[in-house]
Amino acid sequence: GENVEQHPSTLSVQEGDSAVIKCTYSDSASNYFPWYKQELGKRPQLIIDIRSNVGEKKDQRIAVTLNKTAKHFSLHITETQPEDSAVYFCAASLSGNTPLVFGKGTRLSVIA
Amino acid sequence: DTAVSQTPKYLVTQMGNDKSIKCEQNLGHDTMYWYKQDSKKFLKIMFSYNNKELIINETVPNRFSPKSPDKAHLNLHINSLELGDSAVYFCASSQASGSSPYNEQFFGPGTRLTVL
Repeated sequence: GENVEQHPSTLSVQEGDSAVIKCTYSDSASNYFPWYKQELGKRPQLIIDIRSNVGEKKDQRIAVTLNKTAKHFSLHITETQPEDSAVYFCAASLSGNTPLVFGKGTRLSVIA
Repeated sequence: DTAVSQTPKYLVTQMGNDKSIKCEQNLGHDTMYWYKQDSKKFLKIMFSYNNKELIINETVPNRFSPKSPDKAHLNLHINSLELGDSAVYFCASSQASGSSPYNEQFFGPGTRLTVL
């Protein structure tokens, strides 16, 4: 089955700096790669996703890149703000309607 | 007008008891899921279910059973609770669509289960 590795497990950045989180997956059949943000005590919420036919996607300060050949994808957050502090999860699945396989999460701390 | 709701939010119970967690979605989605988040924050699929098919993660003990009275509800029943069942359980839903097979999964607020 699919296996998703995520690095780093913790990340501290100064406010205004960029943060990068990287994930690799094992199943070449996976086609859908969402990123979720989870604040303390809250539900995971989708912040951005990318499909296998796209190499890069951007939404304001957040961008995701996908390299299908190497089977890795990354989340980039620019101009970080204290409210970006949370746990971020990458995931992979065959489509958006099949179970997500999550990475183990990255705890991002943005220091003001 | 919560999209995916779960009850209860907190559940504290003794080992050996049987308990249920309820999930409802008002998004008209046809696929629902149960995920478990353990104390290390690892999120893992337990079940996915739509009108046609129940897919069970093979690592889930058979003490756990999903029950779907209708398309908008997927409840989780747990028999003979064990200490290791303590976790946060999240329900989620998504919509299959021929024109867009890559659709967001919406998560419920979670149920924190504590087994004493």
